[in-house]
Amino acid sequence: GAVVSQHPSWVICKSGTSVKIECRSLDFQATTMFWYRQFPKKSLMLMATSNEGSKATYEQGVEKDKFLINHASLTLSTLTVTSAHPEDSSFYICSARALQGETLVAEQYFGPGTRLTVT
Amino acid sequence: RKEVEQDPGPFNVPEGATVAFNCTYSNSASQSFFWYRQDCRKEPKLLMSVYSSGNEDGRFTAQLNRASQYISLLIRDSKLSDSATYLCVVNTNAGKSTFGDGTTLTVKP
Repeated sequence: GAVVSQHPSWVICKSGTSVKIECRSLDFQATTMFWYRQFPKKSLMLMATSNEGSKATYEQGVEKDKFLINHASLTLSTLTVTSAHPEDSSFYICSARALQGETLVAEQYFGPGTRLTVT
Repeated sequence: RKEVEQDPGPFNVPEGATVAFNCTYSNSASQSFFWYRQDCRKEPKLLMSVYSSGNEDGRFTAQLNRASQYISLLIRDSKLSDSATYLCVVNTNAGKSTFGDGTTLTVKP
């Protein structure tokens, strides 16, 4: 199956700092990537859809100025948590859907996730 | 009402048991359906797609009932390694995915 990597796998930062998380599709091109966050014992919550070469689409209730998304190439999307606070501590997971010809396949392939702890 | 609902469990079963999970969805325009497996503190991994005709992969069988808007996952001859959280995922024709909260399965010796 398709491989998606994320970096870093875990990060601890102080309140007020910004953290950048990278999501890469390693063996396929991903015009669309998704960013999720997950709290313990809860399911994934979609934060935003990242589109290559255009602005991300944010879900209701997600602050676009706090969670900056950049999808600069067909294999890389980044999520920057700006001015992080303890309540931003969570498991952040990206996913990507591969292109089959001109069609986006339905299956999502997930990165291994980034565990963010803000102290 | 949630868009995708699953019985959270936990399901605790002995090795060798057969266990079934159900998932209901509210959007009748949903196009594609999947079961993912998530191990503790790991990312979800695709287990199988779900088709109206049913889909079987070894010990795992998935079914879709569009009329009643539910999907199911049957695991036969449970193994210890099947212990995980199983996530039901529903895609709309706009490509948006909605996840259920997951069903936790623990298989015991």
